[in-house]
Amino acid sequence: AQTVTQSQPEMSVQEAETVTLSCTYDTSESDYYLFWYKQPPSRQMILVIRQEAYKQQNATENRFSVNFQKAAKSFSLKISDSQLGDAAMYFCAYSTTQGGSEKLVFGKGTKLTVNP
Amino acid sequence: DADVTQTPRNRITKTGKRIMLECSQTKGHDRMYWYRQDPGLGLRLIYYSFDVKDINKGEISDGYSVSRQAQAKFSLSLESAIPNQTALYFCATSVDRAPGGEQFFGPGTRLTVL
Repeated sequence: AQTVTQSQPEMSVQEAETVTLSCTYDTSESDYYLFWYKQPPSRQMILVIRQEAYKQQNATENRFSVNFQKAAKSFSLKISDSQLGDAAMYFCAYSTTQGGSEKLVFGKGTKLTVNP
Repeated sequence: DADVTQTPRNRITKTGKRIMLECSQTKGHDRMYWYRQDPGLGLRLIYYSFDVKDINKGEISDGYSVSRQAQAKFSLSLESAIPNQTALYFCATSVDRAPGGEQFFGPGTRLTVL
């Protein structure tokens, strides 16, 4: 079964600085998708960025980018120019297509604090 | 208006009570999911449904049941609530065969079982 590991329960960053959140996963599949979701205090789950495993180019969305290392099964999220509104729980997730179904497997999350 | 809604947003109940959490969506998606979130554990899949006639157990289905009343509605029931079912519950939807299985989440229901 696929597993997703986020080794940093908590991280902090100064406003305007850059922070990287780590995520590793375990899978025997060659085709899959990876996601980062953000959960602010409002508890709404918001998709931040998505990476397709067959694409070597790292995904980027404005200040958010990923470092996808397929061989190492690593999928880290870099937040540049951190803002107070970036403070949230961040979840890494893997999308499996086993059995013909797309199901998300989540890591345990990293709580990001942004200091003014 | 929100595309995926959940009712109630918060609920406190007692051990042994039957409770239903409801999810509605206006996105026109075929697939719907129920997750629970516990502190330090992330989100875990309870049940999922690919259409009205297709319902499947997820990772942690014991103690729960679901009903897909229509394409747009997916309800989660706790037949006899117990304290360790205290959690934040999320409903999510996705398009059939959506690239990457991107899911869209409701605002969550915080359930407390005393």
